[in-house]
Amino acid sequence: GAVVSQHPSRVICKSGTSVKIECRSLDFQATTMFWYRQFPKQSLMLMATSNEGSKATYEQGVEKDKFLINHASLTLSTLTVTSAHPEDSSFYICSARDGGARKTQYFGPGTRLLVL
Amino acid sequence: QQQVKQSPQSLIVQKGGISIINCAYENTAFDYFPWYQQFPGKGPALLIAIRPDVSEKKEGRFTISFNKSAKQFSLHIMDSQPGDSATYFCAASIGTGANNLFFGTGTRLTVIP
Repeated sequence: GAVVSQHPSRVICKSGTSVKIECRSLDFQATTMFWYRQFPKQSLMLMATSNEGSKATYEQGVEKDKFLINHASLTLSTLTVTSAHPEDSSFYICSARDGGARKTQYFGPGTRLLVL
Repeated sequence: QQQVKQSPQSLIVQKGGISIINCAYENTAFDYFPWYQQFPGKGPALLIAIRPDVSEKKEGRFTISFNKSAKQFSLHIMDSQPGDSATYFCAASIGTGANNLFFGTGTRLTVIP
């Protein structure tokens, strides 16, 4: 099946710093990637949808200036958490849409962010 | 507003038993209903999915039952195994799983040996 990777898998940072998370589709081209946030024992909440070469679409309540998304190529999207605070600590999961015949989302393994 | 409601929140089943997780939705425009399995510290993995033109879909030990009139769908895991212990999410979307997925709240399944 299609593979989506995320890097890093886990990151610890100090409050006020910025953290970049990469999402890559390894064996297919993803015109669209999605970023989700998941708090412990809770469901996945869609943060934003990014399309290659255009600005991301953010869900209501998600600060676009805090969560910067760049989808520079058909295989890479990045999420940068700017000026991170402890409340940003969460599990961030990306997914990539296969625009080919399968037309489904494939999820990455997630990135655990802990802001001290 | 939770677009997809899921129950139970947690479930404990004996090995060999049947695990049943239920979901309900309101938006009649939804026409793609996948189930995802998530192990701790991992991303969700697609388990099985159904479209509303069929009432049941079976893949190995996993079966989705779909009731369009009631706007409900459920996941049945037959002969549950300890390795099935995970959190299961139902979801719904319009079109295909390639579009925005609305997730249920999750069910933590524990299969006791």
